This record gives sequence, structure tokens and C-alpha cells, in this order.
Amino acid sequence: QKEVEQNSGPLSVPEGAIASLNCTYSDRGSQSFFWYRQYSGKSPELIMSIYSNGDKEDGRFTAQLNKASQYVSLLIRDSQPSDSATYLCAVNSGAGGTSYGKLTFGQGTILTVHP
Amino acid sequence: KAGVTQTPRYLIKTRGQQVTLSCSPISGHRSVSWYQQTPGQGLQFLFEYFSETQRNKGNFPGRFSGRQFSNSRSEMNVSTLELGDSALYLCASSLGPDLGQPQHFGDGTRLSIL
Repeated sequence: QKEVEQNSGPLSVPEGAIASLNCTYSDRGSQSFFWYRQYSGKSPELIMSIYSNGDKEDGRFTAQLNKASQYVSLLIRDSQPSDSATYLCAVNSGAGGTSYGKLTFGQGTILTVHP
Repeated sequence: KAGVTQTPRYLIKTRGQQVTLSCSPISGHRSVSWYQQTPGQGLQFLFEYFSETQRNKGNFPGRFSGRQFSNSRSEMNVSTLELGDSALYLCASSLGPDLGQPQHFGDGTRLSIL
């Protein structure tokens, strides 16, 4: 079982729709969760961080965390063609020495928003 | 505020050579992490430095090493390069020292081994 798994995609949505990206993680003790966006040929860009159960909203983005189900998701409302990218879920386990500075990433979900 | 700066952006080396990559973190950030990104393996953690000390290391051979200077700048060295070392090497900084702080990535160094 992979430590962090994302829906494999690719995911294609029409402009203006809601894009839903999902991620599950295996380490129940994980404490910190992040979503990054990576455009082709570019480096990952942090778009959301979430630490507590529930929803966190930032503009058109909403991150949802459910630690009991070991599940984190990202919703993108009013999707735009400029949102087309690979979205990476990243987790820090918070387990002390072996967790310092270490993010474990999923394989990423490719999102395409078509006009 | 300047972001994370990595140099050089591109490198071409041959097998057996060694290479040094440099990373300057965001001003005020004291933790620097390094990652390797390949199409097959995705993003994999190499190591993390804080206050000139390596606090964590990923599952990479000893050919991969690093260090951090007193100004928080970090270098990564790969010796005896192999074809499989071709990858995008990313540096990320965070405030530190606590766990779980957001990391911000540089543009990366793309290393090609011939």
C-alpha cells in the first residue's frame, strides 16, 4: 500500500465546474496536509495547507480533512483553464525525528479544465 | 520577498562525475529540504537541514549528501553519477524548527546524465 494515494486521473472538467481531487494516506498519526499545484515544466506551488478536521477555504479552493477516514480532498470551484495542472497531495507524519522536513507525496492527479 | 533560489537551473554530466547543487532559502527560513522528482517515482525526500544539522534523511544511497551553512543556504552533492540520477532536484524551505510547516519550492535543478 502506498503511503499517499491520489485518484489517478486524468480528470477533465468543463470551465466553471467544480473539480474534486482526492487523497488517502496510510499513517494514522499524520498531522499536516498540503496541496501543491505543478504546471508542466515548473516546480510545485503550495496552494493549501490543512491541519484540523473539517473544511478550510481560500478563494476558489476548499481543502477538506477527515483524519478518522485518513482522507483529504481539494475542491476547486468555478474551474478555469488556468487551473489545468498536476495537483499533488503531500503529508507530514509528525512522528518526530523521521518526520523533520519530510513531505510524502502522492503521484499527483492531472487536471484539465476545458473551455 | 524573494523566493527559494536554486542554481544552476540545468546541468549535463556524464557517468562517474560528481555534481554540487545550491539552494538559497526564503529570507528567514531556516529549514531546507531536498527532493528528487522523476516521472516514474514522483517526488521523493532526500534530506532536511536545520541550523546546519541534518535532521532527517530519506532512502537514498550515500552518494547523495548535503550540508547547510550558517546563513541557511544549502548545498547538495551527488558523487559517482549514474544514469538513474537524471532527475529534477528540488529544494524547499520552511520557517522551522517545528514539524509540519508549509514548504516552498525553488524552480529546481534539472540534472541530465549522459
